[in-house]
Amino acid sequence: DGGITQSPKYLFRKEGQNVTLSCEQNLNHDAMYWYRQDPGQGLRLIYYSQIVNDFQKGDIAEGYSVSREKKESFPLTVTSAQKNPTAFYLCASSPGLAGVDTQYFGPGTRLTVL
Amino acid sequence: GENVEQHPSTLSVQEGDSAVIKCTYSDSASNYFPWYKQELGKRPQLIIDIRSNVGEKKDQRIAVTLNKTAKHFSLHITETQPEDSAVYFCAAWTGSYQLTFGKGTKLSVIP
Repeated sequence: DGGITQSPKYLFRKEGQNVTLSCEQNLNHDAMYWYRQDPGQGLRLIYYSQIVNDFQKGDIAEGYSVSREKKESFPLTVTSAQKNPTAFYLCASSPGLAGVDTQYFGPGTRLTVL
Repeated sequence: GENVEQHPSTLSVQEGDSAVIKCTYSDSASNYFPWYKQELGKRPQLIIDIRSNVGEKKDQRIAVTLNKTAKHFSLHITETQPEDSAVYFCAAWTGSYQLTFGKGTKLSVIP
């Protein structure tokens, strides 16, 4: 998991702004994921991508968008349509397309709406 | 879709005692069950996992058991130490490239 980086570590957003969270991995993993973590809620899947130029909605995709133009990168944009974006955001990756794969997490970005 | 229930939500044990955390899942097609440990403000770290063709797996003081018939799996930590204090998450692989997580158990090991 040391090969997954997220930036920034802390992010502050004003009401009505879009912000983009960065996730990069150098593990040569095909699949990448974005989770949102709230206190007492566990981890909830926002989006995932199994391969470049393809991604799927998770359980809570509303108000978020992603892109996967490169294998190494999977940025997440939190749009103004997301009504309660304050949370800890975790990016993860897993090795391949076989399906059942261990996921490894990045260090996370804590987003706060001012 | 898959639903994962995790119990208890908080657990306090004396140092040296054992801790057990239990999870149940709903989708009988789930076939991979990882456990993650998360310290405050840090990323979740995989500590052990089990696949559905195995009933038990051990790694030093940590073990996981799986009962496919009853659709539950458990994490066992023996000889607990203060550094075991953290939040532990179970998860189940749904088969659609997704992990469904439990809501976590906050384990406190009292010296």
